[in-house]
Amino acid sequence: TQLLEQSPQFLSIQEGENLTVYCNSSSVFSSLQWYRQEPGEGPVLLVTVVTGGEVKKLKRLTFQFGDARKDSSLHITAAQPGDTGLYLCAGVSTGAGSYQLTFGKGTKLSVIP
Amino acid sequence: DSGVTQTPKHLITATGQRVTLRCSPRSGDLSVYWYQQSLDQGLQFLIQYYNGEERAKGNILERFSAQQFPDLHSELNLSSLELGDSALYFCASSAGLGRTEQYFGPGTRLTVT
Repeated sequence: TQLLEQSPQFLSIQEGENLTVYCNSSSVFSSLQWYRQEPGEGPVLLVTVVTGGEVKKLKRLTFQFGDARKDSSLHITAAQPGDTGLYLCAGVSTGAGSYQLTFGKGTKLSVIP
Repeated sequence: DSGVTQTPKHLITATGQRVTLRCSPRSGDLSVYWYQQSLDQGLQFLIQYYNGEERAKGNILERFSAQQFPDLHSELNLSSLELGDSALYFCASSAGLGRTEQYFGPGTRLTVT
C-alpha cells in the first residue's frame, strides 16, 4: 500500500509569514498533485508536477517535486487569509490503462489577519 | 464551480439502512471516481468508472456498490449502514483515461445515527 505523509498536520500563522508544507512517501509516483479544500467544498486541483526536481510557481505558491519522485513540498510566500484551507497532496499511480490518486491526510492551514 | 454536481448535499439515516448518492460529471467527462473522506482516514479512493464500465477499485467495502449510467451520471449505493460509514462522499470526474486532472463535486455529507 502506498502511503503519503504530510507535515505538519496543522499550521497557524500570521498574515505575511512564509510557510512550507511537506509531502513524503517511500513509493515512487508517476506524478504528484496538490489540492486545496475549503470547508463544505470538494478539493480543487492547484498543480501537477511530473518530472523529478521540477519546480512550478503559482503566484505566491511554489511547488517542488523531489528528484526521486517520492516527495514534494509546497511553499507559500507572504501568506494571506485567503490561503486558509486544507492542503492535500496526491500521488498519481498508473497501471492497466488507468490511474489512481493516493491522498495524504492533509495540512490544515490557518492564516490569521 | 467544478461543473460536477452531487445530490443530496446532506443525508441523515439510521444504522442498517440503504442510501443512494448521485453524481453528474462535468460535461464531456467520461471517468467518474468516488471517494470517502473521514477525519481519521483522510480522502480514500473507492471506485472508478469509465464510460459505463468499472475501471478500478480501491478501499470499497462489499456493502458498497456503484454504477455509471449511459448518460454518464453515477450512483454510489451504501447498504447495511454502520455508524462508521458517516463521512463525506465525493465524486470526481476527468476527461478520460489518459488525464490525471480530477474535478471534484461539493460532496454529500452522510450521517448514520
